[in-house]
Amino acid sequence: LAKTTQPISMDSYEGQEVNITCSHNNIATNDYITWYQQFPSQGPRFIIQGYKTKVTNEVASLFIPADRKSSTLSLPRVSLSDTAVYYCLVGGGNKLTFGTGTQLKVEL
Amino acid sequence: NAGVTQTPKFQVLKTGQSMTLQCAQDMNHEYMSWYRQDPGMGLRLIHYSVGAGITDQGEVPNGYNVSRSTTEDFPLRLLSAAPSQTSVYFCASSQPTRKAYNEQFFGPGTRLTVL
Repeated sequence: LAKTTQPISMDSYEGQEVNITCSHNNIATNDYITWYQQFPSQGPRFIIQGYKTKVTNEVASLFIPADRKSSTLSLPRVSLSDTAVYYCLVGGGNKLTFGTGTQLKVEL
Repeated sequence: NAGVTQTPKFQVLKTGQSMTLQCAQDMNHEYMSWYRQDPGMGLRLIHYSVGAGITDQGEVPNGYNVSRSTTEDFPLRLLSAAPSQTSVYFCASSQPTRKAYNEQFFGPGTRLTVL
């Protein structure tokens, strides 16, 4: 399973764009990159998934460079309700490996 | 659809007691799994199942048993609870496809305290 490295915490203000970068140097050819969000006292929730280039949905964008050794989750115009822990996962299939994630704190 | 449901939401046990954490999903997902989350840490995989009748160990299986007799249910059993098993337990399910390879749906969790 590919190991991921992401910042422990980030701070932002409402209305700003937040970019969280994840490193995954030993990603395998068939691995997808997936991001989850977790609020306190809740289970993680799927945000976005991609394989290469750029993926966008109604919540976020995911940027993946050509070498796929890193990825960046972009949250446009964050609000207080985006305060959560964000996990980057690579590959796994039946065995997901969650790191400690990035604690994003959004303030007024 | 109710999605993934877990019962109970909270439980306090004494050391040595046994109990079963229930997990059910109504999405006809083949894959189900159990995770534990300790304070300040990510989720760690305990056991998983790729279909009815098939289970396997994850990263931290010791002290836990599972079975999968139906597609819908995946109970987690603690045979003799220990304080080290105090944690929040999450159940998840997914229908692995090439596109949604890792998209798992998580339940609300069970907060377990072992005294």
